[in-house]
Amino acid sequence: GENVEQHPSTLSVQEGDSAVIKCTYSDSASNYFPWYKQELGKRPQLIIDIRSNVGEKKDQRIAVTLNKTAKHFSLHITETQPEDSAVYFCAASSAGTYKYIFGTGTRLKVLA
Amino acid sequence: DAGITQSPRYKITETGRQVTLMCHQTWSHSYMFWYRQDLGHGLRLIYYSAAADITDKGEVPDGYVVSRSKTENFPLTLESATRSQTSVYFCASEGEGEEQYFGPGTRLTVT
Repeated sequence: GENVEQHPSTLSVQEGDSAVIKCTYSDSASNYFPWYKQELGKRPQLIIDIRSNVGEKKDQRIAVTLNKTAKHFSLHITETQPEDSAVYFCAASSAGTYKYIFGTGTRLKVLA
Repeated sequence: DAGITQSPRYKITETGRQVTLMCHQTWSHSYMFWYRQDLGHGLRLIYYSAAADITDKGEVPDGYVVSRSKTENFPLTLESATRSQTSVYFCASEGEGEEQYFGPGTRLTVT
């Protein structure tokens, strides 16, 4: 069935360094890839997304890249700050389904 | 964010009891979803709904029942709760061309 693998499960970086989280999806019909951030005890919130007709998207310190051939996409956070510490989830969705298949999450710790 | 709410926020119930988790959204979004969140599993889709009276199974539907008689409400019922259903449950809604918004979650403990 449809599957999204996410790595690493935990990631610690020094403040100011970059963080990269990678996801691989199995369904070649997937065409929408959102990333959610979940702070402790809070709800997941969308931080950036990308559609399959685009290879890269950037929003300030956050960027997402997509390689459709390899079926993987990545989240890049530059100049990390303590408030970036959270759990990040990738997801994949196919056209017309509105169903998201989520990865298992990455706990990012930014060390001051 | 205030447009989607869940109740109760915390619930403790006993094995075998029926429990219903409520979800309400004020945006008139067509799509609504129920997820459960467990350590090591991320967010797994239980059921979803494309419109009133239209529901479909997600990845982990066993032991759960949903209904959607009104666009704004999407209750999730555990017919006979089991300890394995101890989890945090998130409801979400999505409008056409919009992002999927999550509710604040319900922490359910089955003893």
